[in-house]
Amino acid sequence: AQRVTQPEKLLSVFKGAPVELKCNYSYSGSPELFWYVQYSRQRLQLLLRHISRESIKGFTADLNKGETSFHLKKPFAQEEDSAMYYCALCPQGGSEKLVFGKGTKLTVNP
Amino acid sequence: SQTIHQWPATLVQPVGSPLSLECTVEGTSNPNLYWYRQAAGRGLQLLFYSVGIGQISSEVPQNLSASRPQDRQFILSSKKLLLSDSGFYLCAWSRDSITYEQYFGPGTRLTVT
Repeated sequence: AQRVTQPEKLLSVFKGAPVELKCNYSYSGSPELFWYVQYSRQRLQLLLRHISRESIKGFTADLNKGETSFHLKKPFAQEEDSAMYYCALCPQGGSEKLVFGKGTKLTVNP
Repeated sequence: SQTIHQWPATLVQPVGSPLSLECTVEGTSNPNLYWYRQAAGRGLQLLFYSVGIGQISSEVPQNLSASRPQDRQFILSSKKLLLSDSGFYLCAWSRDSITYEQYFGPGTRLTVT
């Protein structure tokens, strides 16, 4: 069965510090992986996807198939990065559904 | 452009009463539609999804049901609410051939008293 694990429910860092939100997945094939973000009083929205190899708002995420991980990183956190972050997996070949992790609440302190 | 609506935004219902939450999508046709429950510490739990009118897949056996009477309308229902049904319910849609990006509605906060 597919599973996404985000080991940290809460993560607190200071402004300007590096931040890494961990995500590990369990899946036998080659999944597509995503990070979704929900800012306070806003809708849940896609932040980035591994297939695009893009950097959004300074965040990057690298798929490590050996470690089955897709950690989200930013070298210098900003206060506006405070939000709830969800890692999600879509099984190989497409599927009607995403499998989400339980989320990590990031707080960036001034 | 596409938009997704949910109503009501908040709802307080007594135990044992019925429930009907509605979700509609505009600006697209034949979307995949999803109902999630979001709970603190439990993340996003997929409840139901639909790939077409009248086609409903249930992910979690529970007190809730879903229906899709029209292409862009998705309804979450219950005949008798339980206290444990309290939570934040999110509707989402995705394109029928590109499923990985889902677009979420504003959500409904349900409190069962």
